[in-house]
Amino acid sequence: DTEVTQTPKHLVMGMTNKKSLKCEQHMGHRAMYWYKQKAKKPPELMFVYSYEKLSINESVPSRFSPECPNSSLLNLHLHALQPEDSALYLCASSPTPGTISGNTIYFGEGSWLTVV
Amino acid sequence: DQQVKQNSPSLSVQEGRISILNCDYTNSMFDYFLWYKKYPAEGPTFLISISSIKDKNEDGRFTVFLNKSAKHLSLHIVPSQPGDSAVYFCAASAQGYSTLTFGKGTMLLVSP
Repeated sequence: DTEVTQTPKHLVMGMTNKKSLKCEQHMGHRAMYWYKQKAKKPPELMFVYSYEKLSINESVPSRFSPECPNSSLLNLHLHALQPEDSALYLCASSPTPGTISGNTIYFGEGSWLTVV
Repeated sequence: DQQVKQNSPSLSVQEGRISILNCDYTNSMFDYFLWYKKYPAEGPTFLISISSIKDKNEDGRFTVFLNKSAKHLSLHIVPSQPGDSAVYFCAASAQGYSTLTFGKGTMLLVSP
């Protein structure tokens, strides 16, 4: 099973709303990631969690707030977003924090976010 | 500065023929390379990877070749099928780093 499950698949939110994206994996992976992808662009790293602790924040605005409640779950809390934040948000996981070499990062199907 | 480059935005191939997707990198610290396939409105799907200690890795119809001296890798798909039509991303990682650096992708179109 190499499944990373993301919900919701589609989300439309206003600029004053608070919403959350959820991600779940049951592969026993201890590294989890949030990526953002715009049309015709490669995925851009936002956050990395290693052993449930935030290890990398790629200078993401504070209107995006990640949370890792346990080793299987990863959330991305959204508040006061802008229309330019509309994108596909991808969750991913890999077995071993600290290095990808020799491992694989598995991606979920993504959550399409539209900010109106 | 783009450390992983996929210089062909698109590639068209006939069904049954070979598809060759190319990727160049500039960072000599990269030691692990992955190829992902992405359909519209879906997340990237892992295809195949290769470590810098190898020069070839094969999995079914997919073979990845690595030329370290040229800092070049390629993905061969043989035979190509219409279902292979997707965007293919090359990604690279360095030992001790938990991040991937992606290329911009190549859109492959396999026509019947």
